[in-house]
Amino acid sequence: DAGVIQSPRHEVTEMGQEVTLRCKPISGHDYLFWYRQTMMRGLELLIYFNNNVPIDDSGMPEDRFSAKMPNASFSTLKIQPSEPRDSAVYFCASSEAFRLNTEAFFGQGTRLTVV
Amino acid sequence: AQSVSQHNHHVILSEAASLELGCNYSYGGTVNLFWYVQYPGQHLQLLLKYFSGDPLVKGIKGFEAEFIKSKFSFNLRKPSVQWSDTAEYFCAVNEDGGSQGNLIFGKGTKLSVKP
Repeated sequence: DAGVIQSPRHEVTEMGQEVTLRCKPISGHDYLFWYRQTMMRGLELLIYFNNNVPIDDSGMPEDRFSAKMPNASFSTLKIQPSEPRDSAVYFCASSEAFRLNTEAFFGQGTRLTVV
Repeated sequence: AQSVSQHNHHVILSEAASLELGCNYSYGGTVNLFWYVQYPGQHLQLLLKYFSGDPLVKGIKGFEAEFIKSKFSFNLRKPSVQWSDTAEYFCAVNEDGGSQGNLIFGKGTKLSVKP
């Protein structure tokens, strides 16, 4: 398996534009997570899905942020409209259901810059 | 609410020096504990994890961590660091039984190893 795949790797956009980040989890994983990494706040969990269903979105900062998982192999995180303070690295991760010998795998991240 | 504290923001060591990175967490129940490493420009990788049993956990690349329940600590150690250990290290926790991707991270400790 190629691991968790995120696209694009880098995104530069103007304030007010819509931004869509994409994630392909590892095949067979039941859980998918979206994290945001900033200098000020570190790594924060935004939302996670189990079997394509959003379980906890309490970390989503504002209504401008939305996430979907239309099927087991694809998820999107959308920001509309984007603002400069949304600039961060966004990581997607996936994992199997809890077992001792499993772990969460992270993608390479998308570095978003909003100017 | 759960929280994770990493005491050192930036640690600078010479090669062959010993390393200890502090991590304390606050949570009233049973937790699983993790250390992740992020090499420059790369994604997070799991170094080691603790669920139960022997409180001294050995991970990849010669790292180990000790869970001290009475101190709510899970410090990361390595007897002799190498230049290639230069990276950022994150301590994380999740609730026992929760998905291993649903993590609360510390702010991270940057390790710089001088050759």
